[in-house]
Amino acid sequence: QVQLQQWGAGLLKPSETLSLTCAVYGGSFKNYYWSWIRRPPGKGLEWIGEINHSGSTNYNPSLTSRLTISLDTPRNQISLKLRSVTAADTAVYYCARRLLWFSQYDLWGQGTLVTVSS
Amino acid sequence: QSVLTQPPSASGTPGQRVTISCSGSSSNIGSNTVIWYQQFPGTAPRLLIFDSTQLPSGVPDRFSGSKSGTSASLAISGLQSEDEADYFCAARDDSLTGLYVFGTGTKVTVL
Repeated sequence: QVQLQQWGAGLLKPSETLSLTCAVYGGSFKNYYWSWIRRPPGKGLEWIGEINHSGSTNYNPSLTSRLTISLDTPRNQISLKLRSVTAADTAVYYCARRLLWFSQYDLWGQGTLVTVSS
Repeated sequence: QSVLTQPPSASGTPGQRVTISCSGSSSNIGSNTVIWYQQFPGTAPRLLIFDSTQLPSGVPDRFSGSKSGTSASLAISGLQSEDEADYFCAARDDSLTGLYVFGTGTKVTVL
């Protein structure tokens, strides 16, 4: 059974870089988009961006200038880096997967709370 | 910056039917299928509906989805206490390559 396990620093100061990793256990990268999605406290879900097994990325235009999503294929891991964070980036961050030709996310990581505070 | 609009809340008593709307535009719902997710506090979202009307394995058939033009709806028939959760619609948006947008979210309360 495929599982997504994510981790990363949970407390950041403004201007620092958010860094999260999502490991894929029991499955392959191929034929999927691997995405990051966040939910700020008291707000709704926000799509951050995605990467496929070939390394092709799509990013939320509101985050593009600060965002990097990358793959570590030998380790079956996806990483998220968001630079110059502010309090507005405080959220629970999720990794998730969808098949290349479908729109639905059928498997999610457990979520990581990231708090940005001085 | 949600592009899809949902009512912030909906409620009903056990056994009632509850409907949640999701309003978008020609570049998202009007051109693509709609997905619905259910989220309980402290847990990751769960896929509830895909391709606007299809239920994944394991989702009770009291949930149903529909789409017309640039709007979609999620219906819960025979509301149960365990249905109390947040519900989000989502769709691809053709205004930018690969863009994916979520709805504002609806909190369903079982009275």
